[in-house]
Parts: sequence; C-alpha cells; structure tokens
Amino acid sequence: EPEVTQTPSHQVTQMGQEVILRCVPISNHLYFYWYRQILGQKVEFLVSFYNNEISEKSEIFDDQFSVERPDGSNFTLKIRSTKLEDSAMYFCASTNLAGGANEQFFGPGTRLTVL
Amino acid sequence: GNSVTQMEGPVTLSEEAFLTINCTYTATGYPSLFWYVQYPGEGLQLLLKATKADDKGSNKGFEATYRKETTSFHLEKGSVQVSDSAVYFCALSSRSNTGNQFYFGTGTSLTVIP
Repeated sequence: EPEVTQTPSHQVTQMGQEVILRCVPISNHLYFYWYRQILGQKVEFLVSFYNNEISEKSEIFDDQFSVERPDGSNFTLKIRSTKLEDSAMYFCASTNLAGGANEQFFGPGTRLTVL
Repeated sequence: GNSVTQMEGPVTLSEEAFLTINCTYTATGYPSLFWYVQYPGEGLQLLLKATKADDKGSNKGFEATYRKETTSFHLEKGSVQVSDSAVYFCALSSRSNTGNQFYFGTGTSLTVIP
C-alpha cells in the first residue's frame, strides 16, 4: 500500500543552523502539507502546497520557513535559522483531492530537536 | 475560527473495557470530522470520518457520531484490545478548493493492559 515517507526520523541541530526536512508524498497525490506538533500541544497546520505554489499558510509559517518540490517526488520543508522553539515533530501529508471530506495521508514524522 | 478540543490523556484501560475519548469542536461553516490513530513509530492513519451532521463513522469496532447540536465527535469502542494502544487524534477539516487544512486536537494516548 502506498505511503508517505519522511526523512530523517530524528534531526538534532544547533540554534541558528538551517535544516531541511524531507518528505516523499504518495505518487499520484497533488496536494501537500506540513504540520508540526510541539510536545504536549496540538498538531498545527503550517502550509499547504498545490500546483508548485503555496496555497495556504499559517501565522507560524514565517519568512524562516520555505517549502519546495524540487524534483516531482520530494517535498521539503526548510527552516533557515532554527530557534529553540522550532523543536517539534513535523508531519508531512498529501492527498489527491481537494475538499473538506477527503482524508490526508500522513508520514511518520521527523522529530526536530534544536539545541 | 476552527478548533478542536480533545480529552486529555493518558488513558489506561484493561482489555475488554469500554472506551470513550471526548472530542468537541468549533467551526465556521460545515466541517468534516475525523479520528486519526498513530501507532508507535508510524504516521497518523485515518481511523474513521463523518462528513455531515448525524453521520456515524465506524471502523475496527470504533465508532463516532457527528453531533452538530453538541458540536461533538466522541470516539467509542465497546471492548478494547491491547493492539488498540496508540495515540488518537480528533480533527476537523474546513472546506476549501485549494486543499483542505486540518485542525487537530492534542491527541489522547491510550494504553490497554492485558
């Protein structure tokens, strides 16, 4: 069964460093998402991506964040200069249909630890 | 705005016990409601969903009914098994033509002991 994959499973970085989190969505999906969950808090929406551009983003997704689909299979989240408060689990998701009734398929997450 | 409030855990039950995990929501418009489950080391998997008021979603013995009058979508199972141990997330989806954004609760960790 096709699934969303994410790498690495755990990333440790120093404050101020750039990190790139990688995701491979399900191959025929068209809509891509990043969410994050700070420990003990809600899973929060960061950004959605469709047709090679951002379609929605939250207040969390500031200028330090960017997304890219560089090669038609990977979908990446870059944090330019990490802060301590960026420590969280980051989930990638994809779906092949827009509309509120459709499920999103999630990857296992990348745990980012900023020291 | 849209938000989900979910019963806090962790929840520990004995095998064959009855499970309820409460979930309430606030939403603009007419959202769809979902329960996702996350087993250790895996991604969030859809457990069940309901797309309109009074719909009941069900899967693997779990059920939840979309109650508009109480803005709730409580998850229930009559007899839990050890294999049900996981984290359960309630979520709603706003309708959009550009790809729906999900709003999640904090997740409820369930441990079922033999």
